[in-house]
Amino acid sequence: GENVEQHPSTLSVQEGDSAVIKCTYSDSASNYFPWYKQELGKRPQLIIDIRSNVGEKKDQRIAVTLNKTAKHFSLHITETQPEDSAVYFCAASKGGSYIPTFGRGTSLIVHP
Amino acid sequence: DSGVTQTPKHLITATGQRVTLRCSPRSGDLSVYWYQQSLDQGLQFLIQYYNGEERAKGNILERFSAQQFPDLHSELNLSSLELGDSALYFCASSGTGLGHEEQFFGPGTRLTVL
Repeated sequence: GENVEQHPSTLSVQEGDSAVIKCTYSDSASNYFPWYKQELGKRPQLIIDIRSNVGEKKDQRIAVTLNKTAKHFSLHITETQPEDSAVYFCAASKGGSYIPTFGRGTSLIVHP
Repeated sequence: DSGVTQTPKHLITATGQRVTLRCSPRSGDLSVYWYQQSLDQGLQFLIQYYNGEERAKGNILERFSAQQFPDLHSELNLSSLELGDSALYFCASSGTGLGHEEQFFGPGTRLTVL
């Protein structure tokens, strides 16, 4: 089955800095890559996703890049703010099952 | 608020017991997913139901079972509980589950097995 590795497990940055979280996947058939944000004590929520037919997608301060050849994708957050502090999960899924396999999460801490 | 509800919020029970977790999906969503979240394992997919039928199975133990009722709410039954079953259990829903769709998560049920 699919295996998704996520790094780093913890990321500490100063407010205003950029943050990058990286994920790799094992199944070359995976073609959909969502990112979820989970604030402390709350539910995971989708923040951005990318499909395999594009290499990059942006939404304000958040961007995701995908390298299908290398089977890795990354989340980029620019101008970080304290409210960006949360656990971020990457995931990968493919057609047929559409069930996401999640990475283990990255705890992002933004210091004011 | 995602529109997905889960009850109870917290559950404390003893080893060997049986519990039932309940989930109501967003209005109009036909697909329900159950996940287990523990500190060292992240979000683990357990099982998916679509319109009352089991559609996909993940790493769900034989001691666990689920069902989706005609009104589309779902229940996850956990039996012969062990200490290691302590975790946060999330339910999520999506429109059909037949394509790449956003999953909307409920607030979770925190299960503590003593």
